[in-house]
Amino acid sequence: AAGVIQSPRHLIKEKRETATLKCYPIPRHDTVYWYQQGPGQDPQFLISFYEKMQSDKGSIPDRFSAQQFSDYHSELNMSSLELGDSALYFCASRINRARNEKLFFGSGTQLSVL
Amino acid sequence: AQKITQTQPGMFVQEKEAVTLDCTYDTSDQSYGLFWYKQPSSGEMIFLIYQGSYDEQNATEGRYSLNFQKARKSANLVISASQLGDSAMYFCAMREGPYNNNDMRFGAGTRLTVKP
Repeated sequence: AAGVIQSPRHLIKEKRETATLKCYPIPRHDTVYWYQQGPGQDPQFLISFYEKMQSDKGSIPDRFSAQQFSDYHSELNMSSLELGDSALYFCASRINRARNEKLFFGSGTQLSVL
Repeated sequence: AQKITQTQPGMFVQEKEAVTLDCTYDTSDQSYGLFWYKQPSSGEMIFLIYQGSYDEQNATEGRYSLNFQKARKSANLVISASQLGDSAMYFCAMREGPYNNNDMRFGAGTRLTVKP
């Protein structure tokens, strides 16, 4: 069965550079979430989208932006990267009105800022 | 304020024994969902079990069961017959409110080590 696809799997950037992370949800899933997990930390919610509209916002820095496109894939854009942005970035998806509350996670993008 | 509290940073269990991972939560919503996820060293986040606030029976999924005590606001994960492959980080999470697109917040996690 198709899962949540994230690309790239690994990304190395330097300070002040920009990065774009991509997420392709499971087909028919209309809700996408982004999480940031620092080393040894729990995942922190960044932002979510439902039907291409931002539905909730967490601890996302102003340097980051995200959007969901007409095909439901989502991109997280990160500018002026800082060393502290080094983390594992998860995307997760679900069907909004599904009885099953399960959130399906991608394998994550490991971002290293040097 | 911390919404999800996991008080055990690390736990050890002997192979084939049962182990309980603690989770307490804080919410004023009547409708909420509780989740447990497993994160092995490979980094992926694996869904284990879900409990809805209106579910009267404790959730079970194979060797996983959720001890849901609503009045105490606790949702402990019980793993029976532990296996070496159960060694991982375990996160308790909660989604508040009636809207399915609300975000999910995680606890700090418990690192479980299964000893042979």
